Amino acid sequence: GAVVSQHPSRVICKSGTSVKIECRSLDFQATTMFWYRQFPKKSLMLMATSNEGSKATYEQGVEKDKFLINHASLTLSTLTVTSAHPEDSSFYICSASGEGRYNEQFFGPGTRLTVL
Amino acid sequence: AQKITQTQPGMFVQEKEAVTLDCTYDTSDQSYGLFWYKQPSSGEMIFLIYQGSYDEQNATEGRYSLNFQKARKSANLVISASQLGDSAMYFCAMLMDSSYKLIFGSGTRLLVRP
Repeated sequence: GAVVSQHPSRVICKSGTSVKIECRSLDFQATTMFWYRQFPKKSLMLMATSNEGSKATYEQGVEKDKFLINHASLTLSTLTVTSAHPEDSSFYICSASGEGRYNEQFFGPGTRLTVL
Repeated sequence: AQKITQTQPGMFVQEKEAVTLDCTYDTSDQSYGLFWYKQPSSGEMIFLIYQGSYDEQNATEGRYSLNFQKARKSANLVISASQLGDSAMYFCAMLMDSSYKLIFGSGTRLLVRP
C-alpha cells in the first residue's frame, strides 16, 4: 500500500513553455502533499506544502507565480512550472502523507525536467 | 533553527559487512520523528526506518537499525550484512510534529564493494 505516482517521469521542453507535473496517491487519501526540488548530487529542497481544497504554502524563496500548485482532490496534486527557463531544469519529487503509521511521507518516483 | 547534519558525503563498505551512516540533528522541539530514506540511482525515495523522539528503544527493520542517542542528538543508521543493492544515497530526515515538514540532511553516498 501507500503508493504515489508521478507523471511524466521525464519531460523536455522549450524555454518559455509551461509544464504540468501530476502527483497521485494511488491507494490512499493524502491529507497533505509536498513538492520538492532536487539538484544533482544534492538534498531535497521543500518547495511547498498543499492540502486538498486550500492554497499551497510556499517555502521562502519559492516563486508562487512560477510554480503553481493545485491540490484538486485527496488523491491528486499538480505542479505547473510556468514559462520554464533552463535554470528550472531539475528533478521534482512529490510526496504524500495521510496513511503512514509514523505520519511519514510516501514519495513519488520523481520527474526530471529539462528546459532547452 | 532545525537542522540535520550528515558529515559523510561518501562511504565504502565491503559486501556482507556492517556500516554506520552518521546523522546528527538540532531542534528545540520536544516531539519529533527521525527517518532514514534510501535513494537509488532511479531517483525514488524509499522509506527505511523511523525513530520517534519519545521511543526508548532503538528502531529496527530487518537489516536496518537506528542507533538513537537523544542526549547527543544523533540518529545513526546501521546497515548489517551489506548487499550490492544497498549502494545508493541515504538521507536522514527529521519530521517536525508541529509543522509536518520533513527536513533533510545532505545525504551520504554508500558504495558496496563486491
